[in-house]
Amino acid sequence: GENVEQHPSTLSVQEGDSAVIKCTYSDSASNYFPWYKQELGKGPQLIIDIRSNVGEKKDQRIAVTLNKTAKHFSLHITETQPEDSAVYFCAAVYTGGFKTIFGAGTRLFVKA
Amino acid sequence: DSGVTQTPKHLITATGQRVTLRCSPRSGDLSVYWYQQSLDQGLQFLIQYYNGEERAKGNILERFSAQQFPDLHSELNLSSLELGDSALYFCASSTSLGWDEQYFGPGTRLTVT
Repeated sequence: GENVEQHPSTLSVQEGDSAVIKCTYSDSASNYFPWYKQELGKGPQLIIDIRSNVGEKKDQRIAVTLNKTAKHFSLHITETQPEDSAVYFCAAVYTGGFKTIFGAGTRLFVKA
Repeated sequence: DSGVTQTPKHLITATGQRVTLRCSPRSGDLSVYWYQQSLDQGLQFLIQYYNGEERAKGNILERFSAQQFPDLHSELNLSSLELGDSALYFCASSTSLGWDEQYFGPGTRLTVT
């Protein structure tokens, strides 16, 4: 079945460093890849997304890259700040049934 | 505030019981999604409705059912509850069938004792 693997499960960085989270999806028919940030006690919130016809997208300190051949996409956060501390989820939307499959999440800690 | 409302915020019930969770999507959104988030786990997609019709199904148990009403609000019904059903249940909405941002509600925390 459809599956999205996300690594690492936990990531600890020093303030100002970069953080990279990687995801791999199984269904080559998927073509929309959003990233969500979930803060404690809240619902997830979209931070950036990418579609299959684009290889890279950037929004200020956040960037996402997509390699369709490898079925691999990554989130890059530069100049991390303590407020970036949260759980980050990648997801893939499958054209076959409009299912949104989420990765298991990465808990990011940014140390001041 | 995402514009998606969920009620109740907390729910405590006993095994074997039945509960109904309610979701009101953002104004104008036609799609409603339901997700289950267990402790320290990711988001499990349950089901999606678009303009009143079921459009996608995930790993939703047969004891669970959902519907979307003409006013576009949605309800998730959980029956014959088990301890393992204790989780956060999120509702999300979007304008399209799934190709755009999903706006998540604050969630309903269900505790089955």
